[in-house]
Order: sequence, then structure tokens, then C-alpha cells
Amino acid sequence: DTTVKQNPRYKLARVGKPVNLICSQTMNHDTMYWYQKKPNQAPKLLLFYYDKILNREADTFEKFQSSRPNNSFCSLYIGSAGLEYSAMYLCASMTGRDTGQLYFGEGSKLTVL
Amino acid sequence: GEQVEQLPSSLIVQEGASVLINCSYTDSASVYFPWYKQEPGKRLQFIIDIRSNMERKQTQRLTLLFDKKTKHLSLHITATQPGDSAIYFCSADNAGAKLTFGGGTRLTVRP
Repeated sequence: DTTVKQNPRYKLARVGKPVNLICSQTMNHDTMYWYQKKPNQAPKLLLFYYDKILNREADTFEKFQSSRPNNSFCSLYIGSAGLEYSAMYLCASMTGRDTGQLYFGEGSKLTVL
Repeated sequence: GEQVEQLPSSLIVQEGASVLINCSYTDSASVYFPWYKQEPGKRLQFIIDIRSNMERKQTQRLTLLFDKKTKHLSLHITATQPGDSAIYFCSADNAGAKLTFGGGTRLTVRP
């Protein structure tokens, strides 16, 4: 099974409220990623886990948090949503730590009102 | 950091035509270049890749060319079909497990 699952698929949130997105994979992949995708833009890397080590991008360091309680699950947490957070959030996983093919989930579409 | 540019941003062709999608990157440390495709309403899917020690890779109707000197890639799709309609993304990886994507090329193949 090469499926990455994301929940919820659609999320409506009010400005200032928290948002938690969940991702799971059953491929025993070491590395899990979160990307933010806005219409007509490139997917933007937010953070990734290699095993239990979290790497966050410098420009999104304070905006997004994440946890990986076990190898299969990874969450993306926004403490206080702003309008600019409206986007598709893509989870992906990869075996190993080096280069390789990413397996993507279908995405969680977040709309902040 | 790495920047990846793709051109054109959109293409409309008739079924059976060939298309060329160009991609350039800036970081000479990038060593791995996977391409992904996103069909309407579906997840991104890997379609082809190339490493920096190669110049060409072909799989079925896809040919990927790589020029390390100019930091340029091009994806050639032959005999296009309506099912090829999708957004195609070029990406670059510097072996640190961080993939940087281009903005995508929206391909529409008319029957």
C-alpha cells in the first residue's frame, strides 16, 4: 500500500483559531513532509521529519508546529490561523534520508474566514 | 536557497502532439531532479527523475534531458493523450532531503 492519508480533507477555520491537520502512512517511511500549496504557486516546504528529528524552514519557523508521535503519523499545527494560511496543505513521505521519490497525500484544504 | 523556474506556465495542444517543458534551477549543489504530475482532483504523483550524473532518461513517452552546465532540464512528452492533461512540476533536491518545486506547467491536451 503506497497511500498517504490526510485528515481532514477540508477544514474551515476562523481567524485566530487553532488548526490541526493529520497525516498517516503505512509504508514505514523515515521522512515525512508538509508542504503548503496556493493556487498557481509552487508547493512550499514548511517542515519535515527525518525519524524523530524535526527540520523547519527558516521563514515559517514560528508559524507552524508539528509532532510525530510514531513513524506512521505526523501532524501540522497552526496556533492562530490568519487569512494568509488559507491553502492546500500537502503531506508527503519518503523512505530514507537522502534523495528519493515522494509519496503525496491528497491534501487538506484549509479555508480561514 | 534553491529556486526553480518552469516555462511555459501553460500549454494547450491537440492530441498526438509533442510538448516540451523547460525547467531551470539555481543551486549547483542540487543532485536529484524528480518530476511530478497532478491530474485534476488527484494527488501529486511521481513520473520521472534524473540524477546529476546523467544527461538523459527515458520512460515510455517521457524523455528527460539534463544539462548540469546550464542548470537546465527539459521534459519531452510525445504522442500526447487527453489523459496527459495535468499540472507538471519540476523539482530539485540538494541531497538534504529538501525538495524545491517549480511553479508548474498546466498541460491541456484536446481530443
